[in-house]
Amino acid sequence: KNEVEQSPQNLTAQEGEFITINCSYSVGISALHWLQQHPGGGIVSLFMLSSGKKKHGRLIATINIQEKHSSLHITASHPRDSAVYICAVRMPYNTDKLIFGTGTRLQVFP
Amino acid sequence: GAGVSQSPSNKVTEKGKDVELRCDPISGHTALYWYRQRLGQGLEFLIYFQGNSAPDKSGLPSDRFSAERTGESVSTLTIQRTQQEDSAVYLCASSDGQFYGYTFGSGTRLTVV
Repeated sequence: KNEVEQSPQNLTAQEGEFITINCSYSVGISALHWLQQHPGGGIVSLFMLSSGKKKHGRLIATINIQEKHSSLHITASHPRDSAVYICAVRMPYNTDKLIFGTGTRLQVFP
Repeated sequence: GAGVSQSPSNKVTEKGKDVELRCDPISGHTALYWYRQRLGQGLEFLIYFQGNSAPDKSGLPSDRFSAERTGESVSTLTIQRTQQEDSAVYLCASSDGQFYGYTFGSGTRLTVV
């Protein structure tokens, strides 16, 4: 079993739909990251969370430390949101490695 | 520079040859990471440098892989006697170590033929 699980693995949506991507992890963490990887391979860091909720434009990320769960929401989705969204957790105790989920491939159709 | 720079962007090499990949982190970022992404698979941690501390090499898949970093600047990842299974995109990222934000480079796509 992976230490970081994402769901769904693949997601298709119509433009304008509200999208949720989930991430569950089984280890103690110091922080959780949401990353976006575009078809060309470039990776952008969207959020870093250690508690609560963060919002940036149409993107919202939440984390529940007790339940070891995080969600990434996209409101009013657009075809340019099509990408792979990756959840990654940072281990505590003086190590800086990230453990990655396998990603969620999102396609938004016009 | 403004971002993390990796070179070359693409590299095709013959099986058995050595290759060297370069990463220029964001100036002032103390932490530097190398990751690998094979086709259709997730990101794998390879090695992590933090300042002048001994690097965390726990992700290097074999002794054919090595990496160096000079101070808090450029890093090179070297793969000796390349094998076809080494074909992947090699990604470098840096962070300032304080706010835990990561910036990724655009990667080097390595193809071993």
